[in-house]
Amino acid sequence: DAKTTQPTSMDCAEGRAANLPCNHSTISGNEYVYWYRQIHSQGPQYIIHGLKNNETNEMASLIITEDRKSSTLILPHATLRDTAVYYCIVRVARTSGTYKYIFGTGTRLKVLA
Amino acid sequence: EAQVTQNPRYLITVTGKKLTVTCSQNMNHEYMSWYRQDPGLGLRQIYYSMNVEVTDKGDVPEGYKVSRKEKRNFPLILESPSPNQTSLYFCASSPTLPSVRETQYFGPGTRLLVL
Repeated sequence: DAKTTQPTSMDCAEGRAANLPCNHSTISGNEYVYWYRQIHSQGPQYIIHGLKNNETNEMASLIITEDRKSSTLILPHATLRDTAVYYCIVRVARTSGTYKYIFGTGTRLKVLA
Repeated sequence: EAQVTQNPRYLITVTGKKLTVTCSQNMNHEYMSWYRQDPGLGLRQIYYSMNVEVTDKGDVPEGYKVSRKEKRNFPLILESPSPNQTSLYFCASSPTLPSVRETQYFGPGTRLLVL
């Protein structure tokens, strides 16, 4: 199974872009990269996902390298409410036809006023 | 409001005393699963269910049971809890699989302490 590696923690100034890196060098060709975040100990919240192409939605952008071995989540204008643990996840297919999320240990992002 | 609910949110129990954590979703999702979260280990899947009466083991199923008698409910059962099951538990649901647009919706969590 593919695994993800993320920095343990990062700080970002309020209003600046937060760039959260993730290494997934063993990812397979049909495995998606997902990002979720967890505020305090609440349930994780979906942010964005992608396979090969860069993706953008109202919350964030996801940049995936051409070789797909790493990706970066970008929060374009971080606010204090973005302080959370951010998980880079690889979704792998099970033989049963379902999927399994392989969570990393996450990056604790602290947005500073 | 679309949501996943769990009860109880906090539970302290003793070794060997059977307990059930309930999970319910109101989004008509077919897929539901249970995770546990422990420091330094991230979230690990315990069991999942693709539909009513269809369940399967995740990565850490030992010591747990589940049932899926109704689409909306997916209770987690600890027949004989032990201290190593002290953890933060999350229930999650998602629409019909497989789908590349599928995302999981997580409940608020249940913090369990087994003495």
